[in-house]
Amino acid sequence: GDSVTQMEGPVTLSEEAFLTINCTYTATGYPSLFWYVQYPGEGLQLLLKATKADDKGSNKGFEATYRKETTSFHLEKGSVQVSDSAVYFCALSAYILTGGGNKLTFGTGTQLKVEL
Amino acid sequence: EPEVTQTPSHQVTQMGQEVILRCVPISNHLYFYWYRQILGQKVEFLVSFYNNEISEKSEIFDDQFSVERPDGSNFTLKIRSTKLEDSAMYFCACRSSAAMSTDTQYFGPGTRLTVL
Repeated sequence: GDSVTQMEGPVTLSEEAFLTINCTYTATGYPSLFWYVQYPGEGLQLLLKATKADDKGSNKGFEATYRKETTSFHLEKGSVQVSDSAVYFCALSAYILTGGGNKLTFGTGTQLKVEL
Repeated sequence: EPEVTQTPSHQVTQMGQEVILRCVPISNHLYFYWYRQILGQKVEFLVSFYNNEISEKSEIFDDQFSVERPDGSNFTLKIRSTKLEDSAMYFCACRSSAAMSTDTQYFGPGTRLTVL
C-alpha cells in the first residue's frame, strides 16, 4: 500500500538557519504530494502541495519539489523564524476514480523548534 | 476564512462507553473524512464519506465505529464501546470536490479522546 516516510524529530535550529525535512514516499500510480503544518493547539493546515513530477510547491518561504525519480518531496526553507516552530507532516493522496475517497496517507510528522 | 470546527476539544470516557465526536465542516464542501493520531504515531485515515454514504474505510474502522451526517451541517463519528486503544486525537476534514486528488482537505483542530 501507499506509505510516507519522513525524518525523525525534533529538529532544533537557530533563527535564520536553513531547514530541510526529508520526505520519501511509496505509491502506486502518480500521487499528489502535500506538506501540512500543525501549530500548537491547532489543526492541520495545508502548507504547500504538488500534483505532478517536477512541480514545485511553495508558500510562506517554504518549498518542496516533487521528485519522481527519487520518490521524494523534501521540505526546505532558507531562513527559519521562531514562528515556524510547529509539527510538519508530509502526505500523499492517490486519485481514486469513483466514490470520492482520495484519502491522505501521512508520515509520522517532524517537530521543528526554532530558537533565538 | 471558513473553518472546520470540532467539539468537544477533549473527551474523557470510561472503557465500554459510547462517545460521539462532532464536526461542523465548511458549508459548501461535499466530502468528509475522519482521521486519528495516537500519541507519538502517524495520522491515520479512518473513513471517507460522500453523498450520505461511506466511500472508503480503513481496517481500523470496524463495527464499533459509525459516521453520520444527521442534519446537513454536522458530521459525527460514533464509537459504540470504547477501548483503551481508542485513546487518540481525532481529526475531521472536508473537501469541496472530488474532481481530482489535488483538491485540498481542510482539517479541524481535533478532539482528544481519553479512554480510562
